[in-house]
Amino acid sequence: DGGITQSPKYLFRKEGQNVTLSCEQNLNHDAMYWYRQDPGQGLRLIYYSQIVNDFQKGDIAEGYSVSREKKESFPLTVTSAQKNPTAFYLCASSIEGKANYGYTFGSGTRLTVV
Amino acid sequence: DAKTTQPNSMESNEEEPVHLPCNHSTISGTDYIHWYRQLPSQGPEYVIHGLTSNVNNRMASLAIAEDRKSSTLILHRATLRDAAVYYCILRGLVGATNKLIFGTGTLLAVQP
Repeated sequence: DGGITQSPKYLFRKEGQNVTLSCEQNLNHDAMYWYRQDPGQGLRLIYYSQIVNDFQKGDIAEGYSVSREKKESFPLTVTSAQKNPTAFYLCASSIEGKANYGYTFGSGTRLTVV
Repeated sequence: DAKTTQPNSMESNEEEPVHLPCNHSTISGTDYIHWYRQLPSQGPEYVIHGLTSNVNNRMASLAIAEDRKSSTLILHRATLRDAAVYYCILRGLVGATNKLIFGTGTLLAVQP
């Protein structure tokens, strides 16, 4: 079955460390997205990519980095520059440029700084 | 900023219909209205989308006002598994409007 896989489900990070969250999709979607969700809040866009080897900052990109070397993969690195990284991170994919097409989301990674 | 307005929370009884409202007064002619729902500790799940006409699928119905400035997601018989946060989002054709911008949604509680 086609879908989008995020790993790990839970991640613990010490302060000052960089961590990378994985997101893989086999839906042949051009566009991929990373969102952050804090308790009781909606999702906020971190980065998005419309095509391989290209990506754009979203609303809260500071302290994060991404790469898009393959169509299927869009890893997110949470760097030590991110001051408050504890959150629920969600990856999504979709067809670029089609307003009548929905997003498919992964099941999320919960990151905790210890 | 999200371009839609939803009530923060609603309650329903099990097996009764639920009408979740959404206002989007600044909608453009090419924006589609999308609905997603998010269960606790899970990623959002696509529910339904529409442009002008009412839409039905196995999960829900979407009623769109004639002027398209509001819409209503209808769950015909609420179950306990429908308790979730429901997001109403506009998706445009190009550029920034093609991305989903989430608001805080409506938290639906279903009472047995």
